[in-house]
Amino acid sequence: EVQLVESGGGLVQPGRSLRLSCAASGFIFDDYAMHWVRQAPGKGLEWVSGISWNSQDIGYADSVKGRFIISRDNAKSSLYLQMNSLTTDDTALYYCAKPKTLAPGSLDYWGQGTLVTVSS
Amino acid sequence: IQMTQSPSSLSASVGDRVTITCRASQSISIYLNWYQQKSGKAPKLLINAASTLQSGVPSRFSGSGSGTHFTLTISSLQPEDFATYYCQASYRNPYTFGQGTKVDIK
Repeated sequence: EVQLVESGGGLVQPGRSLRLSCAASGFIFDDYAMHWVRQAPGKGLEWVSGISWNSQDIGYADSVKGRFIISRDNAKSSLYLQMNSLTTDDTALYYCAKPKTLAPGSLDYWGQGTLVTVSS
Repeated sequence: IQMTQSPSSLSASVGDRVTITCRASQSISIYLNWYQQKSGKAPKLLINAASTLQSGVPSRFSGSGSGTHFTLTISSLQPEDFATYYCQASYRNPYTFGQGTKVDIK
């Protein structure tokens, strides 16, 4: 059974940093790209970042480019999101998501999310 | 790539036929996904590649389109279908979502 478990969320002040983690199990982690998607309270889904299986292809939404860094550790079956220079606009539930086989942008498994609240 | 859904919300009755439209700002071929999200839950992939129904998704859901214009149709709305629906471009990074369409009870 595929499982994605996010952690690392919490309350953080504007301008500070936070690192999210996603522990994956139930599939061969290094066969797949992985993604972060967020959802601000009462708002829609926003794709944040994605990383290929070998970390060679990485993409970011314009809203986080230059502030967030995605990475992965295939030996630990883990995905990370380093979030720097946080603003109140980054307040959201952050989901880790796995794509379908041979469809790197089609997200068929999602975690339950970890909540990030940016507030002074 | 910008994704624009319409309408942003709609009210419908059980048994109604419902159509949601998604437009891309540039051609994405058939690289278009549809998701369903119920309150407090993670999104669920319904359709990928514009028209491929995922395993376990009822056949009343269907998707069509290519290029810049896509539709999600629910042929006969059921009580469990009241939710928010999102399209997503999956051509390449960034994998942009539409703003969502909330389907609620009339």
